[in-house]
Amino acid sequence: AQTVTQSQPEMSVQEAETVTLSCTYDTSESDYYLFWYKQPPSRQMILVIRQEAYKQQNATENRFSVNFQKAAKSFSLKISDSQLGDAAMYFCAYLAGTSGSRLTFGEGTQLTVNP
Amino acid sequence: GAGVSQSPRYKVAKRGQDVALRCDPISGHVSLFWYQQALGQGPEFLTYFQNEAQLDKSGLPSDRFFAERPEGSVSTLKIQRTQQEDSAVYLCASSPRSGRVYEQYFGPGTRLTVT
Repeated sequence: AQTVTQSQPEMSVQEAETVTLSCTYDTSESDYYLFWYKQPPSRQMILVIRQEAYKQQNATENRFSVNFQKAAKSFSLKISDSQLGDAAMYFCAYLAGTSGSRLTFGEGTQLTVNP
Repeated sequence: GAGVSQSPRYKVAKRGQDVALRCDPISGHVSLFWYQQALGQGPEFLTYFQNEAQLDKSGLPSDRFFAERPEGSVSTLKIQRTQQEDSAVYLCASSPRSGRVYEQYFGPGTRLTVT
């Protein structure tokens, strides 16, 4: 079974600084997707970024980028120029590529942005 | 356009009562998912529909949980004889994709509290 681990329950960053959230996963598959979702207090899960495992290039979306290390099964999220609106719970998630329907989520990292 | 909507947003039930949670997916989306999110945890998969067919219900925790999507649009998650451990946020997600469902759009969730 696939597992996703986020070892940082809480992180904090100063506004305009950079922060990195960690995620590791375990799978025997070679074809899969990885995601970072943001969940603000409103509870709405918002997709931040997606990475396909077959792509060697790390995904980027504006201030958000990932460091995908397939051999190490590591998938970290870097947030640059942090803004107050980035404060939220962040979840790393995995989707199997061959039978991919269900998302498997990590435990989450609560990010605080200090002004 | 309109996103995924869920109702009610909050539900308080006395132990032993039956509850029904509704999900309205994005129009035209073929895939629909239910996830359960306990306090301070990541969401966990409950069940998956492709149109009206329930393709995967392996995540339903007991036979007290039942989900349906009779016309391939609106879905209802029913919990019979609620227990305290059922207290959680129930998230619904929909997708225009089937098969490799790597796009999932989440609703705001229903927070169920069982007293």
